Amino acid sequence: ETGVTQTPRHLVMGMTNKKSLKCEQHLGHNAMYWYKQSAKKPLELMFVYNFKEQTENNSVPSRFSPECPNSSHLFLHLHTLQPEDSALYLCASSQAGHTDTQYFGPGTRLTVL
Amino acid sequence: ELKVEQNPLFLSMQEGKNYTIYCNYSTTSDRLYWYRQDPGKSLESLFVLLSNGAVKQEGRLMASLDTKARLSTLHITAAVHDLSATYFCAVGGAGTASKLTFGTGTRLQVTL
Repeated sequence: ETGVTQTPRHLVMGMTNKKSLKCEQHLGHNAMYWYKQSAKKPLELMFVYNFKEQTENNSVPSRFSPECPNSSHLFLHLHTLQPEDSALYLCASSQAGHTDTQYFGPGTRLTVL
Repeated sequence: ELKVEQNPLFLSMQEGKNYTIYCNYSTTSDRLYWYRQDPGKSLESLFVLLSNGAVKQEGRLMASLDTKARLSTLHITAAVHDLSATYFCAVGGAGTASKLTFGTGTRLQVTL
C-alpha cells in the first residue's frame, strides 16, 4: 500500500448505529487530519493530530470521536449521527517542515439514514 | 477568521483556450496550496506557493502568489479535456502551517 488509504470506501448507517472510519498513511508523516466534504460547501477541517496529540478540534459535535494510536493510523468513531452528517470524509497526512503539503486519502462516502 | 474565496465557481471553456482562476484570502498567510479533485476521487496536490512572487508551472497549469494583494491565480494555457476537474485553493494560517482553510472550489469543464 502506498500513500494514504481509507476504509471503508462507502458506509451506510442508521442514526442509532456505531461505526468507525479508518485511515492509514504510508508516507512516514507526523501529522494527520480529518476533513468533511459536503455538497456545495468548502472542505471543513475537523481534527488535527501532530505526533499522535490532538492539536485542533474545529468545534466538531461529540458524536464524532477521533483516535490516533500512532502517527500512521487515525480513526473516526461515529455514533448517533444525523442525516446531515452524510458527506465524504477525507483523511490527510503531512510532514511538518518546509512545505507541509497535505496528502489526501480516497475518502469514505458516508450516508446516514 | 481566515476566509478564502475562489472565482469563478464554475468555468466552462473550449479546448485550446486560456483562462485564470482566482483565489483571494482575507488575512496574512505565508503559504498557499492548489489541489485538483476529479469527480468521486480525492484531492491531488498540484502546487505549494511559499513566498510573495512565487510562480510554479506544471504542464498547462501555472500558479502564482501575491501575498501583498492576498491573491493567488491558477492560469490554464491551451486547455485540454483532461483538465476537467474541480480546483481548490487552500491557505495556511500564519504560524499554523497545518491548519488549512479551503476555498469553495472552481469546477472546470473543458469542452471539445
